Amino acid sequence: DADVTQTPRNRITKTGKRIMLECSQTKGHDRMYWYRQDPGLGLRLIYYSFDVKDINKGEISDGYSVSRQAQAKFSLSLESAIPNQTALYFCATSGPDQPQHFGDGTRLSIL
Amino acid sequence: EDKVVQSPLSLVVHEGDTVTLNCSYEVTNFRSLLWYKQEKKAPTFLFMLTSSGIEKKSGRLSSILDKKELSSILNITATQTGDSAIYLCAGLTSGSRLTFGEGTQLTVNP
Repeated sequence: DADVTQTPRNRITKTGKRIMLECSQTKGHDRMYWYRQDPGLGLRLIYYSFDVKDINKGEISDGYSVSRQAQAKFSLSLESAIPNQTALYFCATSGPDQPQHFGDGTRLSIL
Repeated sequence: EDKVVQSPLSLVVHEGDTVTLNCSYEVTNFRSLLWYKQEKKAPTFLFMLTSSGIEKKSGRLSSILDKKELSSILNITATQTGDSAIYLCAGLTSGSRLTFGEGTQLTVNP
């Protein structure tokens, strides 16, 4: 089983819909992150969390929200999806000052 | 604003060639420089460099950090088609945040 699991793997939806992407981990890490990847732009940080009661905005948080339901679960929501949020979304986890480990990604298309 | 720049953005070589990928960084409260390899799915971790001038090696891959020049290189010797991937460089801050470069798309032709 994967250490960092993202669901769904692919999603196509319409503008204005609410979407939730979920991430769970079995690595026991306290730190979890959400990124989006666009061609030519690398990975950009959306939100991150260092424990259940800690949520921080990243570089591009507008239009997104997150929830840390438990140490092992971190979900990303798009309240009202728009086409320029079409991207590949990654969840990652890490310990303090340690490399981040990534899930396999969710490919999201908003029509 | 933190910034990481990689060069070249794309590179096409033949099997057996040696390649050098470059990364420069401007990262506040810098702790380490990380390299990842991304094929079709998740980025997979290659190296984490914290000390300047100490080379890290894994098989045909090696990397070194130059804190004076705020840069790092990733070398791949005797390239194989399986090395074809996007190579990502990222700066780690003391707050455990990663800032990624755009990536270098490496294509190794038989």
